[in-house]
Amino acid sequence: EPEVTQTPSHQVTQMGQEVILRCVPISNHLYFYWYRQILGQKVEFLVSFYNNEISEKSEIFDDQFSVERPDGSNFTLKIRSTKLEDSAMYFCASSEPPSPNYGYTFGSGTRLTVV
Amino acid sequence: AQKVTQAQTEISVVEKEDVTLDCVYETRDTTYYLFWYKQPPSGELVFLIRRNSFDEQNEISGRYSWNFQKSTSSFNFTITASQVVDSAVYFCALSDPNTGNQFYFGTGTSLTVIP
Repeated sequence: EPEVTQTPSHQVTQMGQEVILRCVPISNHLYFYWYRQILGQKVEFLVSFYNNEISEKSEIFDDQFSVERPDGSNFTLKIRSTKLEDSAMYFCASSEPPSPNYGYTFGSGTRLTVV
Repeated sequence: AQKVTQAQTEISVVEKEDVTLDCVYETRDTTYYLFWYKQPPSGELVFLIRRNSFDEQNEISGRYSWNFQKSTSSFNFTITASQVVDSAVYFCALSDPNTGNQFYFGTGTSLTVIP
């Protein structure tokens, strides 16, 4: 079964450093997403991306965050200057257009630790 | 506004007992999708089921069953004859095509099955 692949699985970075989280969505999917889960809390929406632009973003997704689809296969989330509170699990997802049985698939996540 | 409520924060049951996890959702839209995910200690989100708003048929998959009732905006999940391997956090989620297909997750229910 097709998978959404995220790399790395774990990343440790120093506060203030830039970090890029990478995702390879399912090849025939058109919609891409990033979500965040702070330890012990619920999964929160960050941003959705369609047709090479952001379609929705949450209040969490401020100027420190950016997304890119640089080469038609990868989908990246960049955090420019990490803060301690950015420590979380970050999930990438991709989906087909909505339909009764549409596929919406999450990757296995990148655990980011900011020290 | 869209919202998912999982009122049960933690549940403990003894192995072989049945357990029901509650999920209540809010949305003004007529087209939406409901999901359940399992999150084991390793952190990934494991897809369990998707339901669209036009399909109120209950579903059974092995020891798992789901009861979707639009009249009460509920999408409850029952595990029959629970096993230790069922111990995990379970999330209910709502996906709304009118808001960029983003997922709205509940806060999760932590299930512990005691041997």
